[in-house]
Amino acid sequence: GEDVEQSLFLSVREGDSSVINCTYTDSSSTYLYWYKQEPGAGLQLLTYIFSNMDMKQDQRLTVLLNKKDKHLSLRIADTQTGDSAIYFCAEMGSSASKIIFGSGTRLSIRP
Amino acid sequence: NAGVTQTPKFQVLKTGQSMTLQCAQDMNHEYMSWYRQDPGMGLRLIHYSVGAGITDQGEVPNGYNVSRSTTEDFPLRLLSAAPSQTSVYFCASSYTSWEAGSTDTQYFGPGTRLTVL
Repeated sequence: GEDVEQSLFLSVREGDSSVINCTYTDSSSTYLYWYKQEPGAGLQLLTYIFSNMDMKQDQRLTVLLNKKDKHLSLRIADTQTGDSAIYFCAEMGSSASKIIFGSGTRLSIRP
Repeated sequence: NAGVTQTPKFQVLKTGQSMTLQCAQDMNHEYMSWYRQDPGMGLRLIHYSVGAGITDQGEVPNGYNVSRSTTEDFPLRLLSAAPSQTSVYFCASSYTSWEAGSTDTQYFGPGTRLTVL
């Protein structure tokens, strides 16, 4: 079945780059997404990438997609304390009206 | 716009009790969905609706019912609560359905934390 996997925790120093990784199993994925969840809040769509793209950049965020390896990453440049959150990778696969989410990566920032 | 609102924020039930989680959106979105979030498991789709009067099952529909009598509201009913339904529930909405290849932003509500004893 379809599956999306992420590591559960990441700790980076303020000002460094954060790289959050995600792997998925559905080779027919069409869109892949990154969501951010701040404490006590709902999910916020950060960015998405279409499966025929390799890279997408949006200000401090860079998404890289390796379709052959089914690997997606989110790079946050110059990580700030406000970036502390849980980041969810998600994919829309071959099944209609369904998005599969990973378990989320908790990003913590050290001073 | 208030966006997506959910009530209650917290709820404690005893096994066997029933309750309804409310979800409303004021953005005139056609597509609404319910997810549950469990530690280490990510979000899983429970039920979804592509418009008023139309609902369908997601990945984990058992134990839950939904209805969509209006565009604005999409309540989730637990018929007989079980401890396995202890979770955080998120409602989401978007203009168009994901099945159409939409990249519309899904707007998520703040969540309802449910504990079943």
